[in-house]
Amino acid sequence: KNQVEQSPQSLIILEGKNCTLQCNYTVSPFSNLRWYKQDTGRGPVSLTIMTFSENTKSNGRYTATLDADTKQSSLHITASQLSDSASYICVVTGVPSGGSYIPTFGRGTSLIVHP
Amino acid sequence: EAGVAQSPRYKIIEKRQSVAFWCNPISGHATLYWYQQILGQGPKLLIQFQNNGVVDDSQLPKDRFSAERLKGVDSTLKIQPAKLEDSAVYLCASSERLAGALETQYFGPGTRLLVL
Repeated sequence: KNQVEQSPQSLIILEGKNCTLQCNYTVSPFSNLRWYKQDTGRGPVSLTIMTFSENTKSNGRYTATLDADTKQSSLHITASQLSDSASYICVVTGVPSGGSYIPTFGRGTSLIVHP
Repeated sequence: EAGVAQSPRYKIIEKRQSVAFWCNPISGHATLYWYQQILGQGPKLLIQFQNNGVVDDSQLPKDRFSAERLKGVDSTLKIQPAKLEDSAVYLCASSERLAGALETQYFGPGTRLLVL
């Protein structure tokens, strides 16, 4: 069964500090991994997407890494801001044997940035 | 460019009642998705449409849930009758093309359903 596990479940940091969120998956064969940011009361918004051949991708202060061999990814947030407070969801899509690409969502990491 | 629109934003009903949600995807987007997101969990795909045809509905509880996209644009998701465990946020998303590997899904704000 395809699974995506995220850690920690929640995280509290001070404004200006860095943090790293983790994602482990069992989805196989692998197609791509995407990180979403979901603000409270809003739908998820895509931050980064990585395919098998990519091991790092940046989007401003967000940097995602991927190790397809160990099936692990991380999202690093640099110099956190209050607006970074949100849930961060890791989504892994496998290569379908037939039919369409169906993503598997993690439960998310809830990040709170305190002033 | 307007985003994905959903209504209502909030709905409170009693168990065994019926409820319907509406979604208007981004103009020109062929693929539309409905997700259920229970508090503290990631979204779970319920159904995926390509134009007005169903691509995947393997996780849709068909005894009580139904969805349609008759003209290949707007979509409605219905629950009849609702159960307490249906309390969740129902997210609609759309993507431009057939759900390929790198297609970006754009999500609406969701409808928060509370079943009492």
